[in-house]
Amino acid sequence: GEDVEQSLFLSVREGDSSVINCTYTDSSSTYLYWYKQEPGAGLQLLTYIFSNMDMKQDQRLTVLLNKKDKHLSLRIADTQTGDSAIYFCAAAYNQGGKLIFGQGTELSVKP
Amino acid sequence: EAGVTQFPSHSVIEKGQTVTLRCDPISGHDNLYWYRRVMGKEIKFLLHFVKESKQDESGMPNNRFLAERTGGTYSTLKVQPAELEDSGVYFCASSQGTLPRAQYFGPGTRLTVL
Repeated sequence: GEDVEQSLFLSVREGDSSVINCTYTDSSSTYLYWYKQEPGAGLQLLTYIFSNMDMKQDQRLTVLLNKKDKHLSLRIADTQTGDSAIYFCAAAYNQGGKLIFGQGTELSVKP
Repeated sequence: EAGVTQFPSHSVIEKGQTVTLRCDPISGHDNLYWYRRVMGKEIKFLLHFVKESKQDESGMPNNRFLAERTGGTYSTLKVQPAELEDSGVYFCASSQGTLPRAQYFGPGTRLTVL
């Protein structure tokens, strides 16, 4: 069945890079998304990648996709205290269809 | 452009009562979704509307949950009667028909059933 998994916690120092990892089980997933949830707030779409891409860069964010291993990662360069939040990986299997979410990774950035 | 809005932001009810949650999608978005996150677990899909039609309701947990989207604009999700295990955060999202069809989420409604 469809499943998406993430590690639950990550702690880094301000200025370091953060790498949040995600694995998914269904190789037919076509769209992969990263969402950010700050305390008390909703889900903010950070970035997305299509399954025919290997990498996408957007300012401090880099998404890497390894389709063979069904592994997705989000790298945040020069991590700031404002990046502290829960990051969710999500997979979609058809255009406009439901998202399958991971459990979320809580990123803690220490000054 | 206004984002997805949800009302109320919080609701506390007793077991057996009825609660209705409302979602207003981004204007022009035909797709509307409901999700929920229970007790810190992963966010689970409930259902998907395309305009006023239910495209996929495979995630609805049982017949105590009723979702409607009359006129294809805002949507309501009614829980009747509410049970303790219904407590959680209910998110609404919307997307438009063009790529990448990314779903934009509202702030959620935190439902507590006592």
